[in-house]
Amino acid sequence: AQSVTQPDIHITVSEGASLELRCNYSYGATPYLFWYVQSPGQGLQLLLKYFSGDTLVQGIKGFEAEFKRSQSSFNLRKPSVHWSDAAEYFCAVGLISNFGNEKLTFGTGTRLTIIP
Amino acid sequence: KAGVTQTPRYLIKTRGQQVTLSCSPISGHRSVSWYQQTPGQGLQFLFEYFSETQRNKGNFPGRFSGRQFSNSRSEMNVSTLELGDSALYLCASKPSPGGVFADTQYFGPGTRLTVL
Repeated sequence: AQSVTQPDIHITVSEGASLELRCNYSYGATPYLFWYVQSPGQGLQLLLKYFSGDTLVQGIKGFEAEFKRSQSSFNLRKPSVHWSDAAEYFCAVGLISNFGNEKLTFGTGTRLTIIP
Repeated sequence: KAGVTQTPRYLIKTRGQQVTLSCSPISGHRSVSWYQQTPGQGLQFLFEYFSETQRNKGNFPGRFSGRQFSNSRSEMNVSTLELGDSALYLCASKPSPGGVFADTQYFGPGTRLTVL
């Protein structure tokens, strides 16, 4: 069965510093990979997704992620964080069943705190 | 265009009661999915509806049910509430269920259910 691991429960970064959030997946085939962000009191917003092709994916809000098949990883990065980036970040892997149904499996999330 | 709306935003119930949550998708979206978010289990897929039919279902007991109306609005119902049902219930909509994850899901802000 597919699974997603986000090893870091909580990360604190200074404003202006670079950020990398880790995500590892377990899935037999080439996965569909996603990063979502959830701000307090809000629903989830899609930051970026990877299906195939270029392994470096650009997303919204200046985020990017790199797919590394050899490491089963899909880490999220941002060169310089802003206070507004404080939120919870979720990595997810998509599965398509034999019946053609799509289902997302989420990691447990990483809470990002930004300090001035 | 209005986003996904969920009502009510907060709800307090006692064990054994039942509850109904409502979700209005983005105009024109016909696929609605429901997720349960808890600190312990993270985000878990409940079910997906399209054209008033359940297309996809997660691993939840039969106490969790849903339906979709002809205007694509969806409701989920939880009967015989247990303490462990306390969670944030998120609804997400997208234009159609297919597309190999091509369609972005848009999430609502959620309904926070507390079971006492």
